[in-house]
Amino acid sequence: EMRLVESGGAVVQPGGSLRLSCSASGFIFSDYAMHWVRQVPGKGLEWVSLIRWDGSSTFYADAVRGRFIISRDNSKNSLYLQMNSLKHEDTALYYCIKEDYSGYSVDCWGRGTLVTVSS
Amino acid sequence: DVVMTQSPLSLPVTLGQPASISCRSTQSLVHTDGNTYLNWFQQRPGQSPRRLIYKVSTRDSGVPDRFSGSGSGTDFTLIISRVEAEDVGVYFCMQGTHWPSYTFGQGTKLEIK
Repeated sequence: EMRLVESGGAVVQPGGSLRLSCSASGFIFSDYAMHWVRQVPGKGLEWVSLIRWDGSSTFYADAVRGRFIISRDNSKNSLYLQMNSLKHEDTALYYCIKEDYSGYSVDCWGRGTLVTVSS
Repeated sequence: DVVMTQSPLSLPVTLGQPASISCRSTQSLVHTDGNTYLNWFQQRPGQSPRRLIYKVSTRDSGVPDRFSGSGSGTDFTLIISRVEAEDVGVYFCMQGTHWPSYTFGQGTKLEIK
């Protein structure tokens, strides 16, 4: 069974940094692109970032480009999101998600990890 | 960016009755490869989202056949033919056509009347 488990969420002050992790199991992690998406409590989902299967390319939403860095370690079946210069509006539940074979859909979600940016 | 708009946002349904959720996109979701990458997800209370349907109408393994998807271009619908108690949760659509930026509908909260 495919499984994704996020960790690293915390309360952090504006301007601070945080590193989220996502541990994958139940599938060949190195075969698939991975994404981060986020959800503000009570609001809709927002795509944040994507990394290709081999880490060769990364993509970011305009709202986080230049502040967040996505990375992966295929030897550890792990995905990361380094979040710098955090703003109040980055407060959200962050999900790690796996692309399916087509590349245009998602077939596995984690439970999410909560990031709260507050002074 | 492609904007996905769902309606209704709240859906009270009597057990055994049908339910229908609409999802509209601001741009066509037909990919240059000819496929339409419109997906439906269910998020039960306290659980991670689970994909129900991909490519407009293909059900995932293990999804009951009371769930069906239809539509084309910019206009899509999820139908639950007979709502059961376990169907309570939030349903949302997601487009994957305009990769890499997936976009999502706001979510429809289904509850039992």
